[in-house]
Amino acid sequence: KQEVTQIPAALSVPEGENLVLNCSFTDSAIYNLQWFRQDPGKGLTSLLLIQSSQREQTSGRLNASLDKSSGRSTLYIAASQPGDSATYLCAVRPGSSNTGKLIFGQGTTLQVKP
Amino acid sequence: EAGVAQSPRYKIIEKRQSVAFWCNPISGHATLYWYQQILGQGPKLLIQFQNNGVVDDSQLPKDRFSAERLKGVDSTLKIQPAKLEDSAVYLCASSFDSRGYGYTFGSGTRLTVV
Repeated sequence: KQEVTQIPAALSVPEGENLVLNCSFTDSAIYNLQWFRQDPGKGLTSLLLIQSSQREQTSGRLNASLDKSSGRSTLYIAASQPGDSATYLCAVRPGSSNTGKLIFGQGTTLQVKP
Repeated sequence: EAGVAQSPRYKIIEKRQSVAFWCNPISGHATLYWYQQILGQGPKLLIQFQNNGVVDDSQLPKDRFSAERLKGVDSTLKIQPAKLEDSAVYLCASSFDSRGYGYTFGSGTRLTVV
């Protein structure tokens, strides 16, 4: 059974700091991995999607890496800003499934202080 | 392009009452998902539809939860009777096909059972 874990559960950093969010999963047989952002009272916004054959994806100040063999992914945020404050969720799509089902971690709540 | 629409945004009911949530996916998206997100946890898939057929409902508590997607467009999720532990945000998502391409989430319905 696939399980996804995110550490830390919460993180507070001063503005301008570079930071790393961690995600681990128990079954390396995945189709892809996505990082989402969730603002309070809002739905989820997809930030980056990494296919199982890829090692990393970049979008602006965000960089996500994937090490499928070790069951780990990291989301790197450069030069953090107060607007980055949100909950970040990683989700894997199991490779054994023919469906679009996503299995989520519990999220990391980030606070960037001005 | 219009996003995934959900209503109502908030609902407060007493335990043992019934409640229904509505979702309108992105036009042209064949696959529709209902996720349950309990406070402090990541979303958990309840049911996935491909057009108007059920693909995965393995985690749907079928003794109290039901869902339908008539005509392969809008969907309704119902809970009857509600329990205190059903308090959560119910997120609807849609994707272009069953493999999950173009995953887009709605803003969710926050349910409080008292």
